Amino acid sequence: AQTVTQSQPEMSVQEAETVTLSCTYDTSESNYYLFWYKQPPSRQMILVIRQEAYKQQNATENRFSVNFQKAAKSFSLKISDSQLGDTAMYFCAFMIQGAQKLVFGQGTRLTINP
Amino acid sequence: DAGITQSPRHKVTETGTPVTLRCHQTENHRYMYWYRQDPGHGLRLIHYSYGVKDTDKGEVSDGYSVSRSKTEDFLLTLESATSSQTSVYFCAISEWAYEQYFGPGTRLTVT
Repeated sequence: AQTVTQSQPEMSVQEAETVTLSCTYDTSESNYYLFWYKQPPSRQMILVIRQEAYKQQNATENRFSVNFQKAAKSFSLKISDSQLGDTAMYFCAFMIQGAQKLVFGQGTRLTINP
Repeated sequence: DAGITQSPRHKVTETGTPVTLRCHQTENHRYMYWYRQDPGHGLRLIHYSYGVKDTDKGEVSDGYSVSRSKTEDFLLTLESATSSQTSVYFCAISEWAYEQYFGPGTRLTVT
């Protein structure tokens, strides 16, 4: 069975700082996708970024980027120039290609302080 | 935002009563999913559908059933609610399975 682990239950940084959220996963599959979702206090789940395992280049979306280390099974999210609106729960998730099922980590609660 | 609605948004019910949650989409996406969210567990898949009348179990399917008679609607039923089913329930849709869009969630409390 696939598992996703987020080892940081909570993090807190000052506005404009850079923060990195950690995620590790366990699988014997070679073709899969990795995701970071954001859940603000509104409870809405928002897709932040997606990484295909076959791509060596790390995905980037504006201030959000990932460090994908396939051999280490690590998938961290870096948020640059953090903003108050980045305050949210962040979930790392994994999906085997063709399997239709997302497996989520436990989440990291990120607080951006003014 | 993807056109996904969930109803009701909040519900309080008693142990042993049946409960049905509804997910409605206007995107004509093929796949629909039900997840539950509990502290310390993230989101866990309950059931999903890959077409009308085509469904399959997820990680935590015991005590839940689903039905999909139309592309746009996916129903989650708790036949006899228990306190362990108190949770926040999310519906999600996708056309391509690797990109799922979530509804606003339903908070269910079983007393």
